[in-house]
Amino acid sequence: DTGVSQDPRHKITKRGQNVTFRCDPISEHNRLYWYRQTLGQGPEFLTYFQNEAQLEKSRLLSDRFSAERPKGSFSTLEIQRTEQGDSAMYLCASSIPGVNYGYTFGSGTRLTVV
Amino acid sequence: AQSVAQPEDQVNVAEGNPLTVKCTYSVSGNPYLFWYVQYPNRGLQFLLKYITGDNLVKGSYGFEAEFNKSQTSFHLKKPSALVSDSALYFCAVRDKRTDKLIFGTGTRLQVFP
Repeated sequence: DTGVSQDPRHKITKRGQNVTFRCDPISEHNRLYWYRQTLGQGPEFLTYFQNEAQLEKSRLLSDRFSAERPKGSFSTLEIQRTEQGDSAMYLCASSIPGVNYGYTFGSGTRLTVV
Repeated sequence: AQSVAQPEDQVNVAEGNPLTVKCTYSVSGNPYLFWYVQYPNRGLQFLLKYITGDNLVKGSYGFEAEFNKSQTSFHLKKPSALVSDSALYFCAVRDKRTDKLIFGTGTRLQVFP
């Protein structure tokens, strides 16, 4: 494994369209996190999985957002009916539970809604 | 609720001079504190962490941070700044149950030649 991979790196979409992002974590990491980062702000927690179970969702995650991790490996984040306010960098990270283990971020997917 | 604050939006320093990027925290109990760096259009890279033990923590690229419980601070420091250190720096606290990170708003470090 070379790290956490995110695809695509950039996405431009028209308002109202649906988009889906993919994250491939480090293979032995059973926890996977999604964060959103808007310009000039720190990353904000959206949701996380332990294996295939989604254990927590932030209030930031409206009904238009859904995340899955079907087999406890890769994860997808879908945004339906995109709005201009969804424009942001979407970051994925993975870890093994426990603070002594690494927490690795991907390079992110930058979404621009026009 | 756990939180961290970074009071400076930007820090400017001349190359070769020492640098400090400030962070204060609000956590019940003993905090798990982290510093990350972000270069343009990139994800976050881990610099260092404080879990327990020595208050002075050494990390990557010559950075270090000092945990101060009485002042609830975890300032990032480097004795001699490089132009290549110019980036966005984030302080974070890690939730002990879920491992999720709660970030500050970030400080842009600009090192001038």
